[in-house]
Amino acid sequence: EVQLVESGGDLVQPGGSLRLSCAASGFTFSTYWMHWVRQAPGKGLVWVSRINSDGSSTNYADSVKGRFTISRDNAKNTLYLQMNSLRAEDTAVYYCARVVDSGSSLDYWGQGTLVTVSS
Amino acid sequence: SSELTQDPAVSVALGQTVRITCQGDSLRSYYASWYQQKPGQAPVLVIYGKNNRPSGIADRFSGSSSGNTASLTITGAQAEDEADYYCNSRDSSGNHLVFGGGTKLTVL
Repeated sequence: EVQLVESGGDLVQPGGSLRLSCAASGFTFSTYWMHWVRQAPGKGLVWVSRINSDGSSTNYADSVKGRFTISRDNAKNTLYLQMNSLRAEDTAVYYCARVVDSGSSLDYWGQGTLVTVSS
Repeated sequence: SSELTQDPAVSVALGQTVRITCQGDSLRSYYASWYQQKPGQAPVLVIYGKNNRPSGIADRFSGSSSGNTASLTITGAQAEDEADYYCNSRDSSGNHLVFGGGTKLTVL
């Protein structure tokens, strides 16, 4: 059974940092591209970042570029999102998701982890 | 444009057919995918590619596309289909993903 389990969400002050993790199981993690998607309270889904299967290629939404870093450890079957210089508008549930055929279809999602940026 | 536009809300009578649409320039080049999200839950992929349903998704869900518009059709809507529905695709660069704003479906 495919499982994605996020962790690391917390309450952090503006300007602070946080690292999210996504533990994958039930599939060959090293062969799939992975994404982070976020959802602010009561709002819609927003794409954040993606990484290819071996970690050599990454892309970011303009709103997080230069502040967030996506990475992965295929030996540990884990995806990461390092979040720096956090702002109030980064407050959201963060989901990791697996993509089908390196395209745009996200076929498995984690349950999400809540990041709250507030003083 | 890298945006995808959806109607904020749509309603359908129980057992009837409803179409939810998604518009955007990138849909001329890339297929849309569709997700169902119920309150407090993670999104679930219901349609991807030309018109593919993941395992476990009811066959009353179908997808289509024409020009810059993608559509999700639910034929014979059920009470459990009441949810938010999101489309997504690649943006015009092909390197980023973009989501529509979501459509809240109410089953009457």
